[in-house]
Amino acid sequence: EAQVTQNPRYLITVTGKKLTVTCSQNMNHEYMSWYRQDPGLGLRQIYYSMNVEVTDKGDVPEGYKVSRKEKRNFPLILESPSPNQTSLYFCASSPRAGGLYEQYFGPGTRLTVT
Amino acid sequence: AQRVTQPEKLLSVFKGAPVELKCNYSYSGSPELFWYVQYSRQRLQLLLRHISRESIKGFTADLNKGETSFHLKKPFAQEEDSAMYYCALSHTDSNYQLIWGAGTKLIIKP
Repeated sequence: EAQVTQNPRYLITVTGKKLTVTCSQNMNHEYMSWYRQDPGLGLRQIYYSMNVEVTDKGDVPEGYKVSRKEKRNFPLILESPSPNQTSLYFCASSPRAGGLYEQYFGPGTRLTVT
Repeated sequence: AQRVTQPEKLLSVFKGAPVELKCNYSYSGSPELFWYVQYSRQRLQLLLRHISRESIKGFTADLNKGETSFHLKKPFAQEEDSAMYYCALSHTDSNYQLIWGAGTKLIIKP
């Protein structure tokens, strides 16, 4: 089944403890993106990747890192999580660059930082 | 700066009534506009895009450049339309990244 997977789906952690949220797609998509969703704010883009080894900052990149070493994977890294990073995170992919194509979303990762 | 505004956080209508979810944008050029939907316990997914000029699940949306709007409409709401709806904009100035509205929760009452 063609899809975007994220792991873990739920995570509760403490301030400062490094964590990684994985994202993988099996559709051979070039483009991948990370969003966070907060009440009343909609989706805000954290980072995106137009292709392997190419990543760019979105609107809210502070406190996050990403890498795109292979086409299918786009992990989101929080080196030192803080409570303001408590949010619902979505990974998405599309065949080519961004909004021109339909974006396929993962199921979301609910992160709580205490 | 480019922005997408969905003025209603919550919209509640009765089954069979018409539905209009509002979306306004600020961008002076020619944008690409989309409606995405998230049903309960499902993933966010594309509903329709203005360039396709199609009707999906009875929903239509017309790009009005004069009013910079892209309202989503359905003449007769169904209970299964209850969901979270997001309007999004893409354009060359943003390197085609999507700019999202805050979303409108649509509740269809029986």
